[in-house]
Amino acid sequence: QTVVTQEPSFSVSPGGTVTLTCGLSSGSVSTNSHPSWYQQTPGQAPRTLIYSTNTRSSGVPDRFSGSILGSKAALTITGAQADDECDYYCVLFVGSGWVFGGGTKLTVL
Amino acid sequence: EVQLVESGGGLVQPGGSLRLSCSASGFTFKDHFMHWVRQAPGKGPEYISTIGSNGETTFYADSVKGRSTIFRDNSKNMLSLQVSSLRAEDTAVYYCVKDRSGTWSFDFWGQGTLVIVSS
Repeated sequence: QTVVTQEPSFSVSPGGTVTLTCGLSSGSVSTNSHPSWYQQTPGQAPRTLIYSTNTRSSGVPDRFSGSILGSKAALTITGAQADDECDYYCVLFVGSGWVFGGGTKLTVL
Repeated sequence: EVQLVESGGGLVQPGGSLRLSCSASGFTFKDHFMHWVRQAPGKGPEYISTIGSNGETTFYADSVKGRSTIFRDNSKNMLSLQVSSLRAEDTAVYYCVKDRSGTWSFDFWGQGTLVIVSS
């Protein structure tokens, strides 16, 4: 069973930079996993931020960026703002379907 | 404007079945794969099922395989999911999600419909 790992929580100061990661329980994440990132505020449906590793979805500010860092996918937020405080989920395509990470709860303070 | 409106959620007894529907508009429905993703209370989203643009290709997560059927009616821009043998762990908000063609990722999400499995 494929497990996608994310930091359960992270904290960043307003205006700061934070990098959230997305890994595999066994193996490395590559562009072939088609990593994507989703943002979810309480009570709302997820919103697509990044797809195909590093492509921003329409309307997403350029302070959100995606990449591969070492063996993991990464979401970097540059110049964090108060309304970035929410949950972030990565998703990997593993051949037989899609697997969500457990999510990272980001605190901006 | 893309819109996905789910319906069919509610309270269901364990062992029962449910049919969820999703009405799509604002895009060429027949050209897109579609997905169902669910999210249990306080948990992260979980991928459930996918259907190809013409309905001939389907995928299911292990958690629902064998007791779920995804189908679509392109003439009515409707996506559906039938789930049977429901159990408590199926309690979740079920989201209809539009595929982002060619990227193996999710594009637009509906607002979801809540399914509660309880006696």
